[in-house]
Amino acid sequence: RKEVEQDPGPFNVPEGATVAFNCTYSNSASQSFFWYRQDCRKEPKLLMSVYSSGNEDGRFTAQLNRASQYISLLIRDSKLSDSATYLCVSPRGSNYQLIWGAGTKLIIKP
Amino acid sequence: GAGVSQSPSNKVTEKGKDVELRCDPISGHTALYWYRQRLGQGLEFLIYFQGNSAPDKSGLPSDRFSAERTGESVSTLTIQRTQQEDSAVYLCASSLPRGGPSSFEQFFGPGTRLTVL
Repeated sequence: RKEVEQDPGPFNVPEGATVAFNCTYSNSASQSFFWYRQDCRKEPKLLMSVYSSGNEDGRFTAQLNRASQYISLLIRDSKLSDSATYLCVSPRGSNYQLIWGAGTKLIIKP
Repeated sequence: GAGVSQSPSNKVTEKGKDVELRCDPISGHTALYWYRQRLGQGLEFLIYFQGNSAPDKSGLPSDRFSAERTGESVSTLTIQRTQQEDSAVYLCASSLPRGGPSSFEQFFGPGTRLTVL
């Protein structure tokens, strides 16, 4: 089992809809998680950090479920500009490496 | 302020040639990472530098790959005798010194797109 797993998608969603996708992790000791966004042919950029139960930033909500070992990202009122690949990331122990999921591709359609 | 910069942005080379990729991290960021990303794939960890500590080279795919970093500044990734399977985007990222949750946030450069013919 991979340390961080994501559904590759693509998720095709109409503009204005709400979409959510999950990321599962295998290391039960992981304390923090991150969602990065990567636009086509661009570098990843930090979207949200999740250190406890969850985090909310505008239309974006990230939640952590430690019992089931997954984090979710929910996007409300989706915009065309939300189309991107969303990467789930978790630090590996204390050596400050980040373990990256392969990403979930999201396509928002007009 | 200035972000992470990488050069060249694109590199086309012939199979068997050596290439050198450069990364300039954000000033004050002691941690520096190199990743490889093949088309349509996730990030593949290559190597990690943290200050003056010995680098973590566990992700380097073969002995044709090597990387150096001068102190807490510029890093170069060298690929010797390039193969077609080395074609990918090579991303460099830097982060703050150890300690605290925010030290995990990585700031990426725009990458070097390597094409081996």
